[in-house]
Amino acid sequence: GAVVSQHPSWVICKSGTSVKIECRSLDFQATTMFWYRQFPKQSLMLMATSNEGSKATYEQGVEKDKFLINHASLTLSTLTVTSAHPEDSSFYICSARGPFDNYEQYFGPGTRLTVT
Amino acid sequence: EDQVTQSPEALRLQEGESSSLNCSYTVSGLRGLFWYRQDPGKGPEFLFTLYSAGEEKEKERLKATLTKKESFLHITAPKPEDSATYLCAFQGSGNTGKLIFGQGTTLQVKP
Repeated sequence: GAVVSQHPSWVICKSGTSVKIECRSLDFQATTMFWYRQFPKQSLMLMATSNEGSKATYEQGVEKDKFLINHASLTLSTLTVTSAHPEDSSFYICSARGPFDNYEQYFGPGTRLTVT
Repeated sequence: EDQVTQSPEALRLQEGESSSLNCSYTVSGLRGLFWYRQDPGKGPEFLFTLYSAGEEKEKERLKATLTKKESFLHITAPKPEDSATYLCAFQGSGNTGKLIFGQGTTLQVKP
């Protein structure tokens, strides 16, 4: 149980284009989803917290207009990187927290974004 | 300020050589201390949650313990397949559900 998927697993796009990444909780309803980015040999950095049906809460320093987050249902959240630039190249990981009392978060496999 | 520090940054062990990873934290109102394993190019894999000082949990060769200031991940007789980065994270008393991650310990187990 508690499986989270991401799609795509990797994507290459040209500078200036937009890319959408999907995060799905497969066997539970996620009340909250989180988006992280991870640079090589660094830990996870939280970008935003997403609750179903409401606006995402972004961490300080994360551009809301650049990283659009939509949490349209209890099993799906999307992250759209708009007007991507090479510095946006990174490993993006989502996690989902279910309606459990244990505060546990389950992570997706990650999406490798390369902007050329 | 809430923060978590992991040590060592990197650890090399021979197969069968037991050791411990440390995660020290300063947080007001701990709701949970989490351990994850991350393999290169993959998302973190959940290992343990600890909620209160004195709590211990085990899974195969891994054992996690928690005190009021730190958590340890003990690895007994490790195998090469235990090589990975081990991350600890905590959730504070706020209701956001945010996890604060340490920098991780990269473990390499040589046969």
